Amino acid sequence: TQLLEQSPQFLSIQEGENLTVYCNSSSVFSSLQWYRQEPGEGPVLLVTVVTGGEVKKLKRLTFQFGDARKDSSLHITAAQPGDTGLYLCAGEKNTGGFKTIFGAGTRLFVKA
Amino acid sequence: EAGVAQSPRYKIIEKRQSVAFWCNPISGHATLYWYQQILGQGPKLLIQFQNNGVVDDSQLPKDRFSAERLKGVDSTLKIQPAKLEDSAVYLCASSQGLAGRETQYFGPGTRLLVL
Repeated sequence: TQLLEQSPQFLSIQEGENLTVYCNSSSVFSSLQWYRQEPGEGPVLLVTVVTGGEVKKLKRLTFQFGDARKDSSLHITAAQPGDTGLYLCAGEKNTGGFKTIFGAGTRLFVKA
Repeated sequence: EAGVAQSPRYKIIEKRQSVAFWCNPISGHATLYWYQQILGQGPKLLIQFQNNGVVDDSQLPKDRFSAERLKGVDSTLKIQPAKLEDSAVYLCASSQGLAGRETQYFGPGTRLLVL
């Protein structure tokens, strides 16, 4: 059972389109992170959200943490081919020690 | 600043053989993680070290997997004997400490194919 469900699993869009990917759970997380992973590389951290309802912007990327700290979304405005990659969300739980749990990811392909 | 180094980058072995992966974390990082990423899935934590002590190895299949970080710096992950389902990318990551919201820096991974 996947603790963090990401949707959609795969997304193929044209350059210039907007998109939103989702990360949902029935569990509460102390923080949630978004990573991007390119083929043959390890994941690279994009952002960490901590407070319920928090919104963070990174250029054309907007990240939101749900009020109950169980879900998150990533919105990309005017997607570019360079945005192509696997987007992973990861939730952090404090269970006597901090543990990071990853979702399965959304694979994004932006066509020029 | 040098990133997390891993070797080899690729490995092909037959089932029941042994294999070892090596990781050198970012200098000064106390915490080191080994993850397994099966195709189409997100990374799954296998083992987490702080310095040379194990913090979490609850998802490590201990009958065949072992890992060590003897001097609290670099680490090796071993599989003996390998099974077909061990085919995956093995990612090493490091962070400065063990507190929450620590940024984990990942290496490029070792891609293992078990035939």
